[in-house]
Formats: sequence, structure tokens, C-alpha cells
Amino acid sequence: DAKTTQPPSMDCAEGRAANLPCNHSTISGNEYVYWYRQIHSQGPQYIIHGLKNNETNEMASLIITEDRKSSTLILPHATLRDTAVYYCIVRVGDTNAGKSTFGDGTTLTVKP
Amino acid sequence: NAGVTQTPKFQVLKTGQSMTLQCAQDMNHEYMSWYRQDPGMGLRLIHYSVGAGITDQGEVPNGYNVSRSTTEDFPLRLLSAAPSQTSVYFCASTSWSVGEAFFGQGTRLTVV
Repeated sequence: DAKTTQPPSMDCAEGRAANLPCNHSTISGNEYVYWYRQIHSQGPQYIIHGLKNNETNEMASLIITEDRKSSTLILPHATLRDTAVYYCIVRVGDTNAGKSTFGDGTTLTVKP
Repeated sequence: NAGVTQTPKFQVLKTGQSMTLQCAQDMNHEYMSWYRQDPGMGLRLIHYSVGAGITDQGEVPNGYNVSRSTTEDFPLRLLSAAPSQTSVYFCASTSWSVGEAFFGQGTRLTVV
């Protein structure tokens, strides 16, 4: 699976959009981009994933660049409860489904 | 729907003791994984399974054994506990090749 690079930390004002970047310059054509978050020491929680098209769900939007070498997770109206560690991972959608590799993620702090 | 259940939630072991961390999922997922998370770090993959009877090693498999006799259960065995195995252990299951991973709430293990 391709390696990802994320900034170690970011701040965001409550009510504003949080834009979390992820670099995956070695991504292959059949690798998906996934985002998870971990609040305190709970188990990670799935947010969203995509292959090459932008995706949106009730939690967030995922913007993937045309060359697929980077992506951005957007939390449109961040709240204090969105303070968490956010992980960007890439993996092939086959039997490697159970083999996701997590990096250190980005610690997002939402401030009042 | 319980999702992914890990037991115990907390455990203290003495060096050299053995134990089994239990993981069960009730979603009929094919893929299951074990991760460890050391303080301030991301998740590292220990072992994973693509189905009953099939397991493989992840990034940090030494000192751990797994088996997958049923779809539902994926226990992690510590053969001879060491202080370096003090960590939080997370189990995850994934429904299909591009599906999201569901995580348990973790087992906090301390080896003294």
C-alpha cells in the first residue's frame, strides 16, 4: 500500500471549515483513499473513502486531486467534538482489505 | 447489533505470563485485523485474516499468535508477555474489499 504524509497537527476555529491535507504521491491506480478519526483513545471511526471522484457524506467531504497524489478531508462546520486524530490511509480494494497501514495522523484541535 | 466486541477492556500481566485477547464481530465480515497503539503513536498492524482458516503477519507480529477458526472470532495470543507489549490493542473487521473498517473499543494492556 502507498505511504501517506500528513501534518502532525492543525487548529481550527469552531464553526469554520477544517481542511485536512494528505499526500499520497505513490498511490497506484487501484488504491482507494480512506479517512478515519480517533477521539481520545477510542477505536478509530470511519469517515469517508474514495477512488478518484470527490465524495461527500453526512460527516465530511473528500476532495481528491486529478492526479490522485493528494487529497483533502473537509469538515464543513467544525465543532469542539471534532477534536481528534485524523488518519489518511490508502489501500487496494481486494484481499488487502484487512491490511490497512495507519501512520501517525493529524491531531486536529477545534478551538472556541 | 454489537459490532466488534473486545474483551477484556483492561488487563495487567506479569512479565512472562501468557494470555488471549478476545475479539468477536457479529456482522459476518470476512476481514479481521489486530493493531497495537503505543502512547502518542499511530496504529501498527500485528496480524490480519481474510477469512476463516487464513491469517497473515502485519508490521509487528513478533510475540503474538492468531488463529481464525470461525468467521466471528479472531483471538490474539501473547505467548510470553514483555513490558514492550504494554499498549492499547484494537481489533477491526471489514465487510468487503473496499468497505470501511469497524473497530472495537480496545484492550488496554499493561505488562509489569
